[in-house]
Amino acid sequence: GAGVSQTPSNKVTEKGKYVELRCDPISGHTALYWYRQSLGQGPEFLIYFQGTGAADDSGLPNDRFFAVRPEGSVSTLKIQRTERGDSAVYLCASGGGLNTEAFFGQGTRLTVV
Amino acid sequence: AQSVTQLGSHVSVSEGALVLLRCNYSSSVPPYLFWYVQYPNQGLQLLLKYTSAATLVKGINGFEAEFKKSETSFHLTKPSAHMSDAAEYFCAVSDRAGGGNKLTFGTGTQLKVEL
Repeated sequence: GAGVSQTPSNKVTEKGKYVELRCDPISGHTALYWYRQSLGQGPEFLIYFQGTGAADDSGLPNDRFFAVRPEGSVSTLKIQRTERGDSAVYLCASGGGLNTEAFFGQGTRLTVV
Repeated sequence: AQSVTQLGSHVSVSEGALVLLRCNYSSSVPPYLFWYVQYPNQGLQLLLKYTSAATLVKGINGFEAEFKKSETSFHLTKPSAHMSDAAEYFCAVSDRAGGGNKLTFGTGTQLKVEL
């Protein structure tokens, strides 16, 4: 597609449930990033993929959070046993190569009730 | 560790007036610096970036920023504000480790443009 696509755009889930958030990067982009943006804050880095592998997962807050990119294109962010504090906008971005800019999707707004 | 500080969470200007949004950075290596804009219910859009070439960087929509190493600053300016500039603006610094572009963002500045 023309840009980074994230689905769903909104997700409401109950505390304790499992959720998956999907990111379709720009075609051909090898780098993929996940960020989390809480209300009134700037985006915070979660994880960075270069191809299929996670090059840096230092931003994942705990082991309830996991992300995959099995074929080096689409990525899924998985959150187990969701908590109300996980409520935020989850942003995905992709980049074309070494040290190139990242293009952001519109995000998935996750609300845990 | 790298960080950016944006002074002023809210800035209000009159239409036609100068826009100045402040950003100071901290970095142990020569930084790559970015300004992003976020309109309501939209994703982040890159305004401009500094990657160690010219210190005065021109971006889209008439915005520019100047990298000042001595002041560790990368302030965003626009000579004449337009109503359509009302949005939230984020300064970010890049960790280029591993060839990636992992960004550390500031907390954002909400720009309001008044008639």
